[in-house]
Amino acid sequence: EEQLVESGGGLVQPGGSLRLSCVASGFTLSSYWMQWVRQVPGKGLVWVSRMSSDGRNIAYAESVKGRFTISRDNDKNTLYLQMNSLRVEDTAVYYCARGYGIALWGQGTLVTVSS
Amino acid sequence: DIQMTQSPSSLSASVGDRVTITCRASQDISNYLAWFQQRPGKAPKSLIYVASSLQSGVPSRFSGSGSGTDFTLTISSLQPEDFATYYCQQYNNYPLTFGQGTRLEIK
Repeated sequence: EEQLVESGGGLVQPGGSLRLSCVASGFTLSSYWMQWVRQVPGKGLVWVSRMSSDGRNIAYAESVKGRFTISRDNDKNTLYLQMNSLRVEDTAVYYCARGYGIALWGQGTLVTVSS
Repeated sequence: DIQMTQSPSSLSASVGDRVTITCRASQDISNYLAWFQQRPGKAPKSLIYVASSLQSGVPSRFSGSGSGTDFTLTISSLQPEDFATYYCQQYNNYPLTFGQGTRLEIK
């Protein structure tokens, strides 16, 4: 079964850092475009970042540009989102997702930025 | 940025009803349009890509149509498990953008 499992969320103070992980199973992550999407509980979906299958095409939402970095470890079949200089408004459930157009979603991991 | 506007924002319907949700893009996105379903407390689920292609495993009562700026998601005969929130997304122009969601409730 093809699956994405996120981890790494938690409570962090404003200005802090977190690294989210997304482990893929049942398929080879490096064969696909991958992305991150977030959702404030009770609100809508917001795109965060996308990476091409060859890793050359990377894009970010303006709100996270310069603070977040998407990356991939092909040996571990894992996607990452390094989040620095976190702000209260970054509080959300973060989903990793597969595809140029999303075909598969993970279950999400909650990031709470609060003092 | 391309704005995606869904209508209606909420909708009440009964099991067996035919339902249509509309998504309008603020500029031409060709057919780079996806639809997602999200049940309360759950992760989104992908339904449709390139405007009208059904993702694997999605029931055939779901269908999508449109191109350019106007798109629709139709559920031909509502089932109890279809009551959820639906989102559209354009995915060819950065930043990728979602519609605000359509909440489908039981009448």
